[in-house]
Amino acid sequence: AQSVTQLDSQVPVFEEAPVELRCNYSSSVSVYLFWYVQYPNQGLQLLLKYLSGSTLVKGINGFEAEFNKSQTSFHLRKPSVHISDTAEYFCAVSEGLMNSGYSTLTFGKGTMLLVSP
Amino acid sequence: GAGVSQSPRYKVAKRGQDVALRCDPISGHVSLFWYQQALGQGPEFLTYFQNEAQLDKSGLPSDRFFAERPEGSVSTLKIQRTQQEDSAVYLCASSLDTSGGANTGELFFGEGSRLTVL
Repeated sequence: AQSVTQLDSQVPVFEEAPVELRCNYSSSVSVYLFWYVQYPNQGLQLLLKYLSGSTLVKGINGFEAEFNKSQTSFHLRKPSVHISDTAEYFCAVSEGLMNSGYSTLTFGKGTMLLVSP
Repeated sequence: GAGVSQSPRYKVAKRGQDVALRCDPISGHVSLFWYQQALGQGPEFLTYFQNEAQLDKSGLPSDRFFAERPEGSVSTLKIQRTQQEDSAVYLCASSLDTSGGANTGELFFGEGSRLTVL
């Protein structure tokens, strides 16, 4: 079974500082990896995804993540954060298509990014 | 509509009451998921529909939970005899293809229905 570990429940950071949100996954097969962002009282929005190809993926709002198969990690980074980046960030893994032709997402518990001036 | 719409946004129920939560997916989307997000936790899978067929209900926590999508569009999640542990945000998500978004990552979430059971 697949699982996702987000090591930090909260990450406080000052505006314009760099940030890294950590995500490790466990799976016995090839995976697809995702980061979602959830602003207060809003639904989950896809930030970026790794399906195949280049291990460095770029997403919206200046975020990027690097897939590291040997370390089973998919850490999210941004070189300079803004106040508006304050939100909860969820890492998720999908084990690709099951025999039935679909797959479900397994989410981590989330990391709250708190950006202060 | 332009996005996934869920109603009600907020629901307070007394323990033992039945509740029904509605999801309007993006028009034409084949796959529909329900997830449960408890306070301080990530979303957890409840059930999956492909058109009107419920292909996976392995995540439903008990037989008090029931979901349907009779015409392959709108879906309803029903919880009977609600308990305090049912308090959570219930998220609905849809995708255009039959893979559930696994191939493309294109899974669109609604804003959720927050259920509080007193």
